[in-house]
Amino acid sequence: EVQLVQSGAEVKKPGESLRISCQASGYTFTDYWISWVRQVPGKGLEWIGRIDPEDSYTNYSPSFHGHVTLSVDKSINTAYLQWGSLQASDTALYFCARMATTSYHRVWGQGTLITVSS
Amino acid sequence: QSVLTQPPSLSAAPGQKVTISCSGTSSTLAGNFVSWYQHVPGTAPKLLIYDNDKRPSGITDRFSGSKSGTTATLVITGLQTGDEADYYCGTWDDSLLAGTFGTGTKVTVL
Repeated sequence: EVQLVQSGAEVKKPGESLRISCQASGYTFTDYWISWVRQVPGKGLEWIGRIDPEDSYTNYSPSFHGHVTLSVDKSINTAYLQWGSLQASDTALYFCARMATTSYHRVWGQGTLITVSS
Repeated sequence: QSVLTQPPSLSAAPGQKVTISCSGTSSTLAGNFVSWYQHVPGTAPKLLIYDNDKRPSGITDRFSGSKSGTTATLVITGLQTGDEADYYCGTWDDSLLAGTFGTGTKVTVL
């Protein structure tokens, strides 16, 4: 079964750093890009960026570029989304998703809830 | 800020049809495939349509998609209470070199 399993919920303070993970199974990890998507409570879906697990090439949405970093560890089929300094406005549910070459997302992780509060 | 515009909300009675539009630009829908997702907040989105008009296995043919120029459309026929959700279109933006989702449409079954 093709799956993306994400790390658990986190509660952090403003200014703290954080890395969340997304582990793939059931397919060849390097055959598909991994996207990250944000859902702020009460708001729509926002595409954050994508990473090619083969060579770690990335594309970021301008809205997120410079605030988050995408990375992968091919040896354990895992993608990461990382913040160097969290803000309260980062409070949201974050999804990873497998992205096809024509940009659709068929497989999704279960989501990781990030709460940033002082 | 999304460059794909959808109506904020639509409603219809059970058994009726709902048509959701997704309006893009020359750098988004004109040259790229569109996909559609059903999303219940707090859960993972579900892919309904990919490559403009293809349904993944397991998706009922009550959902259909099309695209013409810079506008894409999702049609839901035989509306059911279980179809109540938010619906998003998605594509690639050639100018931003980024993916993008539509503004979202909340479908209510009356």
